[in-house]
Amino acid sequence: QVQLQESGPGLVKPSETLYLTCTVSGGSISGYYWSWIRQPPGKGLEWIGYIYYSGSTSYNPSLKSRVTISVDTSKNQFSLKLSSVTAEDTAVYYCSRYHSTGLDYWGQGTLVTVSS
Amino acid sequence: QSALTQPASVSGSPGQSITISCTGTSRDVGGYNYVSWYQHHPGKAPKLMIYDVSNRPSGVSNRFSGSKSGNTASLTISGLQAEDEADYYCSSYTSTSTYVFGTGTKVTVL
Repeated sequence: QVQLQESGPGLVKPSETLYLTCTVSGGSISGYYWSWIRQPPGKGLEWIGYIYYSGSTSYNPSLKSRVTISVDTSKNQFSLKLSSVTAEDTAVYYCSRYHSTGLDYWGQGTLVTVSS
Repeated sequence: QSALTQPASVSGSPGQSITISCTGTSRDVGGYNYVSWYQHHPGKAPKLMIYDVSNRPSGVSNRFSGSKSGNTASLTISGLQAEDEADYYCSSYTSTSTYVFGTGTKVTVL
């Protein structure tokens, strides 16, 4: 059974960079697309971007200038970097895997708060 | 890219059928058979219910079905049960090789 686990700081200061890592267990990261999604408090889901195991990426246009998603196949991990964060980036961040064009496995989510 | 449009809320009595709509454009929902649906109980991870418009993953009840007509996709829940009360989101692939989620629909079982 594939499992995903997000990890990273729960508190980030405004203007700094948010870093999260997703560790995949129970299966290989190879051969799949992997994605980051977030949900601000009281709001809906927002797609951040995806990465293919080979390294090709696609990002939400509204976040593209601040987002980088990378993959480390040797560690079975992929990561999210979001720069110049503001309070609007406060959200639960999820990592997930694509099966065809649906996200079939999800992490439990991690709350990241942007505050000084 | 704009979020796909869903009704804010839909309700039904146990045993009834309800349908949730998801409206986009020809650049997303209407242009590809790549619409998925997710059930989200607060505090838990979202769950994939439908992918590629009408395909159900293994383990998902056949009470859930998906369809599409033009720029609007739909999720139908038949034989509504108390456990179906949750938030539901659609998602679509887009012409710019990105994905977009819907605004979300709160389903209430009366």
